[in-house]
Amino acid sequence: EVRLVQSGGAVVQPGESLRLSCAASGLTLQQYAIHWVRQAPGKGLEWVSGLNGDGTSAFYADSVRGRFIISRDNSKNSLFLQMNSLRPDDTAFYFCAMSDCISPACRPRDYWGQGSLVTVSS
Amino acid sequence: DIQLTQSPSILSASLGDRVTITCRASQSVRRWLAWYQQTPGKAPKLLVYDASNLDRGVPSRFSGSGSGTDFTLTISTLQPEDFATYYCQQYNMYPLTFGPGTKVDFQ
Repeated sequence: EVRLVQSGGAVVQPGESLRLSCAASGLTLQQYAIHWVRQAPGKGLEWVSGLNGDGTSAFYADSVRGRFIISRDNSKNSLFLQMNSLRPDDTAFYFCAMSDCISPACRPRDYWGQGSLVTVSS
Repeated sequence: DIQLTQSPSILSASLGDRVTITCRASQSVRRWLAWYQQTPGKAPKLLVYDASNLDRGVPSRFSGSGSGTDFTLTISTLQPEDFATYYCQQYNMYPLTFGPGTKVDFQ
């Protein structure tokens, strides 16, 4: 059974940093591209970032580019989202997710973390 | 960026109804469109990928169709567990984008 277990959600002040983690089991992480998707409370889904299997090619939404960094440690079957210079509009549930590869047209997989709540408030 | 619109935004239906949700893209996404189902407090669940392929374990009452800019998700006979919010997502081009969602609720 594939499981993605997230950790790291918290309440932080504007301008602070936070690191989300997603630990995978039941699969070989390196075989998949990874993504982070967020959802503000009561709102729709927003793709945030994606990273290929060996960690060499990353994509970001304009809203987070230059502030967020996606990374992975395949030896530990884990993926991360380093979030810097957090703003109130970054407040959301953050989900890790996967696809077969990072290129456009790559099949998404129904592998999702349970979500981590990040609240940015003074 | 590719914009996705969904209609309707809210769909009131009854058990056993046939339900159709539409997703329109601002430019062609070829066949690279997925549909997700989400219930409150849960992660999205992938239903359909590549416009018309049902993901493993998804009931056959769900079906997807379309290509280019116009897509539909159909539920042939609405079941109690189908009352949820449905999102389309394009993966033809970065940034990946989602539609705003269609909430299916009790009539």
